[in-house]
Amino acid sequence: DVKVTQSSRYLVKRTGEKVFLECVQDMDHENMFWYRQDPGLGLRLIYFSYDVKMKEKGDIPEGYSVSREKKERFSLILESASTNQTSMYLCASRGGSANTGELFFGEGSRLTVL
Amino acid sequence: AQSVAQPEDQVNVAEGNPLTVKCTYSVSGNPYLFWYVQYPNRGLQFLLKYITGDNLVKGSYGFEAEFNKSQTSFHLKKPSALVSDSALYFCAVRDIGDSSYKLIFGSGTRLLVRP
Repeated sequence: DVKVTQSSRYLVKRTGEKVFLECVQDMDHENMFWYRQDPGLGLRLIYFSYDVKMKEKGDIPEGYSVSREKKERFSLILESASTNQTSMYLCASRGGSANTGELFFGEGSRLTVL
Repeated sequence: AQSVAQPEDQVNVAEGNPLTVKCTYSVSGNPYLFWYVQYPNRGLQFLLKYITGDNLVKGSYGFEAEFNKSQTSFHLKKPSALVSDSALYFCAVRDIGDSSYKLIFGSGTRLLVRP
């Protein structure tokens, strides 16, 4: 089975702190994604990566950056956390064709910014 | 622009009864359509997808969905609901002509199956 692992399930940070969310997949997938999930808004795409060292902005990239130095790892960085970044963050990788393949999600990282 | 609408925030159904979770979409070209399920405090799990071919798609856990191009809909169905089906369901769409390969999600529908 495909496994997407998010290293932190729950985090509590203070405003202004730098936050790293790590995601690792074990299926050699080229495409990886970071979404945030908020009630009533569904999933919104923050950033995605087609391959190592490649990244593309999603729909809500402001306040975030990403790093993909190795194929299996895709990191989301909050340079200076703010309270409006309190959310559930979901990492995913895409199997099969980039055109038709489904996403495989991690368990999520629930971030609270105080 | 691509969009997905799930018009119901919550669907309530009794165990053993059929269930339907609605989804409509808007794309400029032809769609690829997906359903995902999320159990409490978990990530999303893939249920099924429509790419091409038969309009009725069968997926995991006894779920199926019917692609209706004229109504731009892709409703999720199950003939007999189980209490364990209670979860949050997301519909997602991708426009075949979109070279970014982005997947757009709906806002989600909470399904509550009562015993």
